[in-house]
Amino acid sequence: TQLLEQSPQFLSIQEGENLTVYCNSSSVFSSLQWYRQEPGEGPVLLVTVVTGGEVKKLKRLTFQFGDARKDSSLHITAAQPGDTGLYLCAGAKTYNTDKLIFGTGTRLQVFP
Amino acid sequence: DAGITQSPRYKITETGRQVTLMCHQTWSHSYMFWYRQDLGHGLRLIYYSAAADITDKGEVPDGYVVSRSKTENFPLTLESATRSQTSVYFCASTWRGNYNEQFFGPGTRLTVL
Repeated sequence: TQLLEQSPQFLSIQEGENLTVYCNSSSVFSSLQWYRQEPGEGPVLLVTVVTGGEVKKLKRLTFQFGDARKDSSLHITAAQPGDTGLYLCAGAKTYNTDKLIFGTGTRLQVFP
Repeated sequence: DAGITQSPRYKITETGRQVTLMCHQTWSHSYMFWYRQDLGHGLRLIYYSAAADITDKGEVPDGYVVSRSKTENFPLTLESATRSQTSVYFCASTWRGNYNEQFFGPGTRLTVL
């Protein structure tokens, strides 16, 4: 059972467009992280959100944690080819949990 | 080199053979993890370890064995490889706290023929 569903699964856009990736669950999470993975490499952490309703900005990337802490979104403004990659959300059920639950992933391709 | 490394990066083996994937980290992180990545499934946890000599099963442990005699090493063994174990395997590590930020190795692409 996949507890974290991401949508869309694939996204191909032109440079300069905006996009939003969603990460949804029926379960509550203590915190949620977003990772980006480039081909041939392991995932790298982008951000961690821990408070319901929290919004964090990382340059052109905006991350939001849902009020009920069951969902999250990643919005990219004016996408660039360097944003191409696999985006993964990952949730921790409790603060001191040993494990993360990863989402199904969204593969983004940004064309020049 | 500092960080987390995996070896080999690529491996081709045959059904029924034993294969060991290596993972080494230089941060002295307490926690280490093994994941497999398959299209449409994201990352699925195979096994994890909270410290040397402490290991526990994840979501998909069948067919895999782990050990952790030293903090820095966490090898993953496929005792009798099957085609369904063809995948990309990632090792990760973290210290407890800091909201469980995990640091990943570069992965091992395993093909079982």
